[in-house]
Amino acid sequence: KAGVTQTPRYLIKTRGQQVTLSCSPISGHRSVSWYQQTPGQGLQFLFEYFSETQRNKGNFPGRFSGRQFSNSRSEMNVSTLELGDSALYLCASSYGQGPDTQYFGPGTRLTVL
Amino acid sequence: AQSVTQLDSQVPVFEEAPVELRCNYSSSVSVYLFWYVQYPNQGLQLLLKYLSGSTLVKGINGFEAEFNKSQTSFHLRKPSVHISDTAEYFCAVIRSQGAQKLVFGQGTRLTINP
Repeated sequence: KAGVTQTPRYLIKTRGQQVTLSCSPISGHRSVSWYQQTPGQGLQFLFEYFSETQRNKGNFPGRFSGRQFSNSRSEMNVSTLELGDSALYLCASSYGQGPDTQYFGPGTRLTVL
Repeated sequence: AQSVTQLDSQVPVFEEAPVELRCNYSSSVSVYLFWYVQYPNQGLQLLLKYLSGSTLVKGINGFEAEFNKSQTSFHLRKPSVHISDTAEYFCAVIRSQGAQKLVFGQGTRLTINP
């Protein structure tokens, strides 16, 4: 089975712009979770989608949003970028029927200038 | 809420020496436990997991971990490390019922010296 894929792998944006990141889960997985990784804050949960519905949300401002499509692919959007949004954004997928092992993609490295 | 503490931010060891990376967790409900490894410029790779059953779990690359409920610990061990084990290691927990949200420790950077 192919693993979790994320596109793009690297992204450079300027403050005030918006960005969309994409994640394709492992075939058969219906849950997609997003995490932000920074040197200062470590790995933090953003949100989780299951069957096109946001099921859980972390403590991030409303500028961070996401969605999931009927084929389980997910996108994450960040509007009005700030310098502090520079991070590695990781997507993870799982079957999602209950707490389950999450498998991670390679991440998207976002740099905000 | 759950929390995870990785007691060492950096662990230097010599090649072929044994290593233990320590992880303690706090939770008022039962949890599942995981160790992930992150190589430079890559995502997280699952090393091993504890869901239930035997408290000693074996993972990939010769790693193993022991779940100790009374001490709320899940330490990772390897009897003999290789240069290729140089990476960052993350301990994580998830509630066994409820939100699909991994809570991670701050990570331990393992450096193998020849």
